[in-house]
Amino acid sequence: KAGVTQTPRYLIKTRGQQVTLSCSPISGHRSVSWYQQTPGQGLQFLFEYFSETQRNKGNFPGRFSGRQFSNSRSEMNVSTLELGDSALYLCASRMAQETQYFGPGTRLLVL
Amino acid sequence: EDQVTQSPEALRLQEGESSSLNCSYTVSGLRGLFWYRQDPGKGPEFLFTLYSAGEEKEKERLKATLTKKESFLHITAPKPEDSATYLCAVQGGSQGNLIFGKGTKLSVKP
Repeated sequence: KAGVTQTPRYLIKTRGQQVTLSCSPISGHRSVSWYQQTPGQGLQFLFEYFSETQRNKGNFPGRFSGRQFSNSRSEMNVSTLELGDSALYLCASRMAQETQYFGPGTRLLVL
Repeated sequence: EDQVTQSPEALRLQEGESSSLNCSYTVSGLRGLFWYRQDPGKGPEFLFTLYSAGEEKEKERLKATLTKKESFLHITAPKPEDSATYLCAVQGGSQGNLIFGKGTKLSVKP
């Protein structure tokens, strides 16, 4: 079974731009969660989607948003990028309440 | 507030030198405690899920245990390929998200 895939793997943007990241979950998994990983803060929860509905949201500003499609694929959008948004963005998928499996991440660098 | 603290931050071992990593947690209504391994530039790789105090799980040289306040990841006779950052996370309450510790960076020298 194919794992979680994320595209693109690497991205360079400048301050003020916006970015969209994509995540394809493991086949059959309906829940997708997004996390931000930085050296200082570690892994922090952004939001979770289940059956196209946002089920839970972390403590991030409204510039961070997401959505999920009917095939369970998910996108995350960050608007008005700031230098501090440079991070590894990780997507994880799971069945209803089981273990989360992570993708390889998208490395975002904001200049 | 739900919280996870991992210690030590970094650990250097000689090949074959067994040791333990600690994960202390406070959470309202533990639904699961998870251990992941993360290699540089990669996403976390799932290792174990523990659900209740007293539970133990093993996989090759790794053994995870759980009490009401902490979890240990025991590494027996480690090899250089066990070098990685080990992350602990808890899932609690009515939320489905994981709360992660900062990780323990393990280096095993031959």
